[in-house]
Amino acid sequence: GAGVSQTPSNKVTEKGKYVELRCDPISGHTALYWYRQSLGQGPEFLIYFQGTGAADDSGLPNDRFFAVRPEGSVSTLKIQRTERGDSAVYLCASSSQAGDTQYFGPGTRLTVL
Amino acid sequence: AQSVTQLDSQVPVFEEAPVELRCNYSSSVSVYLFWYVQYPNQGLQLLLKYLSGSTLVKGINGFEAEFNKSQTSFHLRKPSVHISDTAEYFCAVSDRGTSYDKVIFGPGTSLSVIP
Repeated sequence: GAGVSQTPSNKVTEKGKYVELRCDPISGHTALYWYRQSLGQGPEFLIYFQGTGAADDSGLPNDRFFAVRPEGSVSTLKIQRTERGDSAVYLCASSSQAGDTQYFGPGTRLTVL
Repeated sequence: AQSVTQLDSQVPVFEEAPVELRCNYSSSVSVYLFWYVQYPNQGLQLLLKYLSGSTLVKGINGFEAEFNKSQTSFHLRKPSVHISDTAEYFCAVSDRGTSYDKVIFGPGTSLSVIP
């Protein structure tokens, strides 16, 4: 079946702009995760959804970052007033339920000029 | 707080030679342990995981890892590597408690298989 998909694959924006990154999890997966991977580093946990609610958002770096999952399927990561330091690959993963194996999408490469 | 150390940032190895990628973790609670692989221009893929039971875990593509609680290690091994094993390998940990879904990744080890 289809895996986790993320759009866009690449996003270039200017400092100060607002961006939205989308994640389509595997159908039926109730748990969804966002990570950020900077160059040369491992993925860094941002937020985890169980259904529609954010079960753990302790990894969001500041209040410019926000994520939603209104219907318990697709999720959107929103970044306001982007900064050059936000440049990274943003990864999304889903699992059939909390604690099960996480399946990762290909990521969205965000570049802030 | 948990953390993961991967001592080797780059490991070059000749084709058909054995390889060991080292991983150490720190945690104040019992943990789950994972190895993920990231092939060039592809997403992360789970190689293997340790949840409980036997400390020797076998994964895909001939890889295996051994959990050593006393040394807080989870080293990844393969007896004979192929060119296709060239990739970035990440060790990861999550705790068994309420935050078990918060997976903490190490910085990665870049494995380069030389023909």
